[in-house]
Amino acid sequence: DSGVTQTPKHLITATGQRVTLRCSPRSGDLSVYWYQQSLDQGLQFLIHYYNGEERAKGNILERFSAQQFPDLHSELNLSSLELGDSALYFCASSVGASVSSYEQYFGPGTRLTVT
Amino acid sequence: GQQVMQIPQYQHVQEGEDFTTYCNSSTTLSNIQWYKQRPGGHPVFLIQLVKSGEVKKQKRLTFQFGEAKKNSSLHITATQTTDVGTYFCAGPENRDDKIIFGKGTRLHILP
Repeated sequence: DSGVTQTPKHLITATGQRVTLRCSPRSGDLSVYWYQQSLDQGLQFLIHYYNGEERAKGNILERFSAQQFPDLHSELNLSSLELGDSALYFCASSVGASVSSYEQYFGPGTRLTVT
Repeated sequence: GQQVMQIPQYQHVQEGEDFTTYCNSSTTLSNIQWYKQRPGGHPVFLIQLVKSGEVKKQKRLTFQFGEAKKNSSLHITATQTTDVGTYFCAGPENRDDKIIFGKGTRLHILP
């Protein structure tokens, strides 16, 4: 158990819908990262928040948005869902602001299926 | 843009054989991290390499960082069924705020 929690574990929804994925980082970690993992694309970095502020954006679509709240939990919002958005979404946390200086602890993931 | 490539994509080995996965970056990396993801699981941090030419060992696992800091390798000696999974390398993209993961090497152990 990494100490990072993600809800829900599974999500099935229809095209055009909007969903929210939730992540709680490990106690004491200030950074939260979101990743998308699909079979053919590996782990794609989406976005990084540190202590409530956005630090970096990766390959995140405009239909996707995220935020980190004062209690440090984070939410990833996916809207106008398409079939291609079906994937495993991981949240990870680390103690520091630098993504490569600290090990990341990954949550169990949310499997999103868009039908 | 910057790329991190891993080879091979898949590897099947007999239990007890050695295994090596290679990671190559298109640019010099300040450091590199390795993660392991078991089937159905989430990535788990294994190690970070920072210095040019660095070699680190964890029991049967040996990690190397190239002299030019553009490549890295993970070698497993005498594989066991517990080694099954996908091994990812990851490096920072230009600035320190983004990270690029390789596509991983999936290791399958034949009994």
